[in-house]
Amino acid sequence: ETGVTQTPRHLVMGMTNKKSLKCEQHLGHNAMYWYKQSAKKPLELMFVYNFKEQTENNSVPSRFSPECPNSSHLFLHLHTLQPEDSALYLCASSQSTLAGGPNEQFFGPGTRLTVL
Amino acid sequence: QKEVEQDPGPLSVPEGAIVSLNCTYSNSAFQYFMWYRQYSRKGPELLMYTYSSGNKEDGRFTAQVDKSSKYISLFIRDSQPSDSATYLCAMTRYNKFYFGSGTKLNVKP
Repeated sequence: ETGVTQTPRHLVMGMTNKKSLKCEQHLGHNAMYWYKQSAKKPLELMFVYNFKEQTENNSVPSRFSPECPNSSHLFLHLHTLQPEDSALYLCASSQSTLAGGPNEQFFGPGTRLTVL
Repeated sequence: QKEVEQDPGPLSVPEGAIVSLNCTYSNSAFQYFMWYRQYSRKGPELLMYTYSSGNKEDGRFTAQVDKSSKYISLFIRDSQPSDSATYLCAMTRYNKFYFGSGTKLNVKP
């Protein structure tokens, strides 16, 4: 596997379900990110982890719960979601949030989430 | 006012046309300016980044930054159907990313 991988690629869940999204990066990076992408809206940054420590939470509802057990893996645990949470959830990684230069982010393919 | 504004399109052009994609921004503290391309059912991939005002060329792609006008552009020469995708501009300030909403481009054969 190369780059950033995400599983599952598609997920349909009811509002009472609990599910988890998984992200893995094979780039040796130290920062990982969760974004929400909705149609015709800018990418919304949800969470940032740097060296396994959460450094940013952009006022995300508690029904989204991130977990970063190590610098290569990132999870997003989902419970009691709402239909408006349906979107593409993208994971990204970068060298670190403290790196100089453009600190370019590399994205996974995303998980298309539908909440019924 | 949004920090980064980008026309969502869609933009439809014939094959071989020159395409111009643009973003405006409001914060003069942005440091790096990037263009990402996102194909359907894929994540965004970085095309180019620039730091200063001026042009940067990479093959058929040219990124242009005008800091005085707070305006950035991506030009695609000799556009191909394989260029059909959504193009996202992004800017960074102290390692924080700010994305535009993306412009959907369709290049017709």
